[in-house]
Amino acid sequence: AQSVTQLGSHVSVSEGALVLLRCNYSSSVPPYLFWYVQYPNQGLQLLLKYTTGATLVKGINGFEAEFKKSETSFHLTKPSAHMSDAAEYFCAVSDRARDDKIIFGKGTRLHILP
Amino acid sequence: IAGITQAPTSQILAAGRRMTLRCTQDMRHNAMYWYRQDLGLGLRLIHYSNTAGTTGKGEVPDGYSVSRANTDDFPLTLASAVPSQTSVYFCASSPGGHTEAFFGQGTRLTVV
Repeated sequence: AQSVTQLGSHVSVSEGALVLLRCNYSSSVPPYLFWYVQYPNQGLQLLLKYTTGATLVKGINGFEAEFKKSETSFHLTKPSAHMSDAAEYFCAVSDRARDDKIIFGKGTRLHILP
Repeated sequence: IAGITQAPTSQILAAGRRMTLRCTQDMRHNAMYWYRQDLGLGLRLIHYSNTAGTTGKGEVPDGYSVSRANTDDFPLTLASAVPSQTSVYFCASSPGGHTEAFFGQGTRLTVV
């Protein structure tokens, strides 16, 4: 069954510094991969997704992620953190060979230090 | 504005009571989902539906049931609530075909 592991439940970076949030997936076949963001007391919204084609995926708010099959990873990055990026981030996977289940990781809370 | 509507937004429920959380979408999406969000555990899939008339079990289905009588509605029922079901519940939908899910604003349920 597909699964996602997010390394680090909390990550702190200084404003202007690189953001790196790690995600590793497990899937028996090439997966569909997603990153979502959740601001306090809100639902989740999609940042970016990988389906097929280019392995470097660009999303909203300056975020991007790279699908690396050899490492079973889909890490999220942003070159320069803003205070407004403080939120919880979730990696998710959907297995191409199965139904439309979407499985989420446990989330990483990103703290931005002034 | 098109989207997903969940009701109620919050509820305090006595243990042993029956409760149905409502979810309606107006995007004509095929797939719908129920997740619960708990601190440190992320979002866990309770039940899902690929299309009207079908449902499937997720990661934590015990104590919950769902139905999908039509495309728009996907209610989640707790037959006899227990305190461990205290959580924030999110309904989501997607067009299907492994596309992204769109989320409602959540229902905060407290079972006492």
